[in-house]
Amino acid sequence: AQKITQTQPGMFVQEKEAVTLDCTYDTSDQSYGLFWYKQPSSGEMIFLIYQGSYDEQNATEGRYSLNFQKARKSANLVISASQLGDSAMYFCAMREGRRRDSSYKLIFGSGTRLLVRP
Amino acid sequence: ETGVTQTPRHLVMGMTNKKSLKCEQHLGHNAMYWYKQSAKKPLELMFVYNFKEQTENNSVPSRFSPECPNSSHLFLHLHTLQPEDSALYLCASSRTTGASGNRGETQYFGPGTRLLVL
Repeated sequence: AQKITQTQPGMFVQEKEAVTLDCTYDTSDQSYGLFWYKQPSSGEMIFLIYQGSYDEQNATEGRYSLNFQKARKSANLVISASQLGDSAMYFCAMREGRRRDSSYKLIFGSGTRLLVRP
Repeated sequence: ETGVTQTPRHLVMGMTNKKSLKCEQHLGHNAMYWYKQSAKKPLELMFVYNFKEQTENNSVPSRFSPECPNSSHLFLHLHTLQPEDSALYLCASSRTTGASGNRGETQYFGPGTRLLVL
């Protein structure tokens, strides 16, 4: 069964510093996708970054980068130059195997709460 | 992208009430999803619709009844709920292209409906 593990329930980071949020996954699929979402206290789940299992380069989106280590089955999110507005819950998710109709299910981790200190 | 809207944002209902949650996406996607987020539990997929057809019912109790009249609208009809159904209900949409590892199939979420069942 597919599984996402986020071992850090909460983290602190000083404003303007970088922070790494850990994510490990378990799957027997050869083709899969990994996502990171941010959830502020308002509740909306905001897409941050995507990494495909066949992508050779680590994904980057502005201040977000994904440290993808396929052999170790890890997909850590790195946030550079943290800002106060980065304080939120962060979820790692994996797209499960594709269905015949091409829709798919996202498996989510339990999340990491990040607090950025001024 | 903020093209997924949900109403109402907050809802308080008694166990004998009937209410409906509405989701609308303006992204031209063909797949829509209902997720439930309870306190201290990972996000759980409830239903999936692809081109208006239900393709997933994740063992959801019959007191939750989804409806998808077209690819842009998704409803969740609620009746005789229990206090343990209190949660944040999130709607998402995505495009399903059939290509693996495609970031274009990212699921985009609405702001959610916070439901309290008394």
